[in-house]
Amino acid sequence: GAVVSQHPSWVICKSGTSVKIECRSLDFQATTMFWYRQFPKQSLMLMATSNEGSKATYEQGVEKDKFLINHASLTLSTLTVTSAHPEDSSFYICSARALEDSSYNSPLHFGNGTRLTVT
Amino acid sequence: QKEVEQNSGPLSVPEGAIASLNCTYSDRGSQSFFWYRQYSGKSPELIMSIYSNGDKEDGRFTAQLNKASQYVSLLIRDSQPSDSATYLCAVRDSSASKIIFGSGTRLSIRP
Repeated sequence: GAVVSQHPSWVICKSGTSVKIECRSLDFQATTMFWYRQFPKQSLMLMATSNEGSKATYEQGVEKDKFLINHASLTLSTLTVTSAHPEDSSFYICSARALEDSSYNSPLHFGNGTRLTVT
Repeated sequence: QKEVEQNSGPLSVPEGAIASLNCTYSDRGSQSFFWYRQYSGKSPELIMSIYSNGDKEDGRFTAQLNKASQYVSLLIRDSQPSDSATYLCAVRDSSASKIIFGSGTRLSIRP
C-alpha cells in the first residue's frame, strides 16, 4: 500500500520551455502532498506544500510564479516548472501523506522522482 | 531556522560490523523522527521511525532517540554491502506541518 507514482521519471527540455511533473497517490487519498528538490550530493529541500482544493504554501526563496503547483484532486498534484533555465536542472521528488494516516507520527511516502535537465 | 544536522561522511565500515549514524536537530518541540535510505539517483525509502525516547529495533536496524539532547541515531548491525547508501535523518517540526531533512550521511560498507 501507500504507493506514490511520479511521472515522468526523467525529462530533458530546452531553456525557456515549461515542464509539468505529475504526482499521483495510487492506492490512497492524499490531502497533502509535498514537493522537494534535490541537487547533486545535497539533501532534499522542501519547495512547497500542496493541499487539495487550496493554494500551495511555498517555502521561503521558492518562486511561486515559476513553480506552479496544482492539487485538484485527492490523488493528483502537479508541479509545472515555467520558463525553465539550466539552473532548474535537479531531481524533483513528490511525497504524500494519506488522508486516513494524518496522525502526527505518519511518515511520508515518496514518488520515484523526476530528473529534470534543462539545456 | 529549524535545522537537522548530520555528518556528511563518507563513513566507511567493514562488512559485518556495526554502522552508527548520528543526527541532531534544533527544534526542541519536534516529536517525530525518521530515517530514510537513499541510493544514488533514487528516491528515499523509509527505514525507521521513532517517537519516544529510547531504542526501537527492527531487524538489523536500531533507532535511538534522546529528546533532552535533541539527538537521534541509527545503528545498522551486521552491515552488508547493500547497506551502502546515503542515510537521511528527517524530523517533523513542532508545528507538524512539514518534515525537514538533514543533508545525509554517505555510508560505505567495504567487503
